[in-house]
Amino acid sequence: EAGVAQSPRYKIIEKRQSVAFWCNPISGHATLYWYQQILGQGPKLLIQFQNNGVVDDSQLPKDRFSAERLKGVDSTLKIQPAKLEDSAVYLCASSLGRQGRTDTQYFGPGTRLTVL
Amino acid sequence: AQSVTQPDIHITVSEGASLELRCNYSYGATPYLFWYVQSPGQGLQLLLKYFSGDTLVQGIKGFEAEFKRSQSSFNLRKPSVHWSDAAEYFCAVGDSGGYQKVTFGTGTKLQVIP
Repeated sequence: EAGVAQSPRYKIIEKRQSVAFWCNPISGHATLYWYQQILGQGPKLLIQFQNNGVVDDSQLPKDRFSAERLKGVDSTLKIQPAKLEDSAVYLCASSLGRQGRTDTQYFGPGTRLTVL
Repeated sequence: AQSVTQPDIHITVSEGASLELRCNYSYGATPYLFWYVQSPGQGLQLLLKYFSGDTLVQGIKGFEAEFKRSQSSFNLRKPSVHWSDAAEYFCAVGDSGGYQKVTFGTGTKLQVIP
């Protein structure tokens, strides 16, 4: 079974530029998560999709971050414009998303973003 | 709101020694609990999980964890550590309600010395 795919693996940009990350979840997984992991910290949830609808984006800085999950499969996370403090690893995860339970999340390898 | 505390930022153990990583959670109902491991440059891999039933949970790579409701703890243990266990370990608590939100701790970095 293929795992969660993410691209690119690394990205270096200058502040005020824009950047996009892509995630393809495990086939059949209804729930997709984007996390931000700053060096030395645990992953922080940015946005959670159930199929193609957003169920939690309370910690997404909506003035600069956006995400979409077209057709309920793969997803794109965008930052525009980037700030220095956005330097982090962006992790995508997916789970079965069964009603009324917390299914195991499977993580992709992440995208390491450096903002100069 | 749910939360997780991992009081040890960094732990060093000798290869072959036993290991215990501490995790305390805050959640109003019976939680879903997880331990993940992250090697450098990698995503997170699930070691084990607790949803219900037996409070002693066995995971991969010889790890186990015990859920203690009275102490709000879910400590991770391994009887004999191998050099390949050096990594960062994250405890997480999941929402047993409808939206499956998972909150992670800040992690414990494990160093193994020969």
